[in-house]
Amino acid sequence: AQSVTQLDSQVPVFEEAPVELRCNYSSSVSVYLFWYVQYPNQGLQLLLKYLSGSTLVESINGFEAEFNKSQTSFHLRKPSVHISDTAEYFCAVSLLLGGANNLFFGTGTRLTVIP
Amino acid sequence: NAGVTQTPKFQVLKTGQSMTLQCAQDMNHNSMYWYRQDPGMGLRLIYYSASEGTTDKGEVPNGYNVSRLNKREFSLRLESAAPSQTSVYFCASSESVRGWDQYFGPGTRLLVL
Repeated sequence: AQSVTQLDSQVPVFEEAPVELRCNYSSSVSVYLFWYVQYPNQGLQLLLKYLSGSTLVESINGFEAEFNKSQTSFHLRKPSVHISDTAEYFCAVSLLLGGANNLFFGTGTRLTVIP
Repeated sequence: NAGVTQTPKFQVLKTGQSMTLQCAQDMNHNSMYWYRQDPGMGLRLIYYSASEGTTDKGEVPNGYNVSRLNKREFSLRLESAAPSQTSVYFCASSESVRGWDQYFGPGTRLLVL
């Protein structure tokens, strides 16, 4: 069975401070891992993904996440946040079911950047 | 290139009424999905269609039906709406069987009174 745990439902952080959003998963098989971002009143957008290879993956806007198999984690980090990073962030794992890639989402972490 | 579009954006229904949520994508994707998003629950998969002509149940299919009308369109129908179906509904699509990147529409906010 697949499950994703995002322990922090809300994370307030001051502008230009670093942030880490935590994600842990449980799975009996190899997984592919994703972070999606949802800006207010919008749909979800893919932020970054881990499929294979380097365990450290980066996005174009300065976020990075590291796949840690021993700790079953895929935490999202940014060294210096901006006001525009205020959004809800969802961690997800994938499972191939019935011929389609199905995503299982965590409950989300609302990041609020304080000026 | 509009990506994934959904109609309507907002809808208010009375208990027992029916409605269909429409979704279309112009990216020539094979797979399409319907999710619902509820506070504190994240997104949960309702139904998906791996390819044109096929549909399968997801995590929370009860009370819903779907139709993959063609490659572009995937609709979600509520036959007899219930207050528990008040939610935000998202449609998504992905390129192929192993379409790891899912592209989401802007959502439909549904309130069932």
